[in-house]
Amino acid sequence: DSGVTQTPKHLITATGQRVTLRCSPRSGDLSVYWYQQSLDQGLQFLIHYYNGEERAKGNILERFSAQQFPDLHSELNLSSLELGDSALYFCASSARTGGEGRETQYFGPGTRLLVL
Amino acid sequence: SQQGEEDPQALSIQEGENATMNCSYKTSINNLQWYRQNSGRGLVHLILIRSNEREKHSGRLRVTLDTSKKSSSLLITASRAADTASYFCATVLQGGSEKLVFGKGTKLTVNP
Repeated sequence: DSGVTQTPKHLITATGQRVTLRCSPRSGDLSVYWYQQSLDQGLQFLIHYYNGEERAKGNILERFSAQQFPDLHSELNLSSLELGDSALYFCASSARTGGEGRETQYFGPGTRLLVL
Repeated sequence: SQQGEEDPQALSIQEGENATMNCSYKTSINNLQWYRQNSGRGLVHLILIRSNEREKHSGRLRVTLDTSKKSSSLLITASRAADTASYFCATVLQGGSEKLVFGKGTKLTVNP
């Protein structure tokens, strides 16, 4: 158990809908990262938040947005869903201390999204 | 786009044998990390090697890094059926953010 929690574990929805995925980082971790894993694209970085502020953006569609709240949990919002958005969505957190601990990312169990 | 490319894509061995997986990457890195993923589950961090290190050990794992060839290898010694999983290398790019750039992974099957 990494200490990172994600809800829900599974999500089935229809095209055009909007969903929200939630992530709680490990206690004390200030950084939250979101990744998408699909069969064709593999594991892709979406976005990184540090202590409530956006730090880096990757291959994140404009239909997707994220935020990190004062209690450090994060939400990934996916809207106008398409079939191709079906994937595993992971969040990860990293420690706030320097050195190797800061760079190791601890992954949650993921949310499996199926868009029908 | 993928930074790392693992080789082989799939590997099947017997329990007790050693498993070697390779990873090549394209641009300068800050560090390289290996993760394991059991079928459809979350990723588990295995080991991190910095760009100024050449070899690192952790239990039955041995990682090497050759920055001149932009490649790394992960060796699992005395493999067990429980090692069956997909293994990914991920790089943290030099001068970039802390995001991980993953390869496509090697699917390892250890037969009892």
